[in-house]
Amino acid sequence: GESVGLHLPTLSVQEGDNSIINCAYSNSASDYFIWYKQESGKGPQFIIDIRSNMDKRQGQRVTVLLNKTVKHLSLQIAATQPGDSAVYFCAENISGGYQKVTFGTGTKLQVIP
Amino acid sequence: EPEVTQTPSHQVTQMGQEVILRCVPISNHLYFYWYRQILGQKVEFLVSFYNNEISEKSEIFDDQFSVERPDGSNFTLKIRSTKLEDSAMYFCASRALTGMGETQYFGPGTRLLVL
Repeated sequence: GESVGLHLPTLSVQEGDNSIINCAYSNSASDYFIWYKQESGKGPQFIIDIRSNMDKRQGQRVTVLLNKTVKHLSLQIAATQPGDSAVYFCAENISGGYQKVTFGTGTKLQVIP
Repeated sequence: EPEVTQTPSHQVTQMGQEVILRCVPISNHLYFYWYRQILGQKVEFLVSFYNNEISEKSEIFDDQFSVERPDGSNFTLKIRSTKLEDSAMYFCASRALTGMGETQYFGPGTRLLVL
């Protein structure tokens, strides 16, 4: 069956360092991937997305890498700040139509000041 | 920046009671969704809604659940007879038809507690 999972439940990073959050997915039909950030008591907030025809996409301080060969996704956060502390979810989707987003279990990022 | 809004932010109810959770999706969006998140767990899909009908639903979305778009702006989730295990955060999401990719934008959630 389809599944999206994360390698590490908690990641502690020193402020100013780079963070890398990893994710594995298993549904080969997925062609659209999203990273969401969820702060305590709030809804998932879109960070960045990538389509399966790309292997890298950059945003402001964030980069998503996609390796379709091993079905692996990562989120890199440059110069991590205290405000980056949150749970990060990778999610997968089959583009087109009304398809649901399937979330992974989440990685908690703790930024140490 | 447009955003999805949800009311109420918190809802406490007795087991067996009906609850209605309300959402106002982003105004030019045409696909609507409900998800839930039990405390400490991942976000789970409940139902998707397009063109005034359910397009997909999960196993969680049983006969006790229903959705409705009563007017041009609101999107509601009704739980007819709540159970203890319905306690969770419920998130509404919406996405555009075209031009904005596939991104679903989530509301802040309603925390439902069933006693």
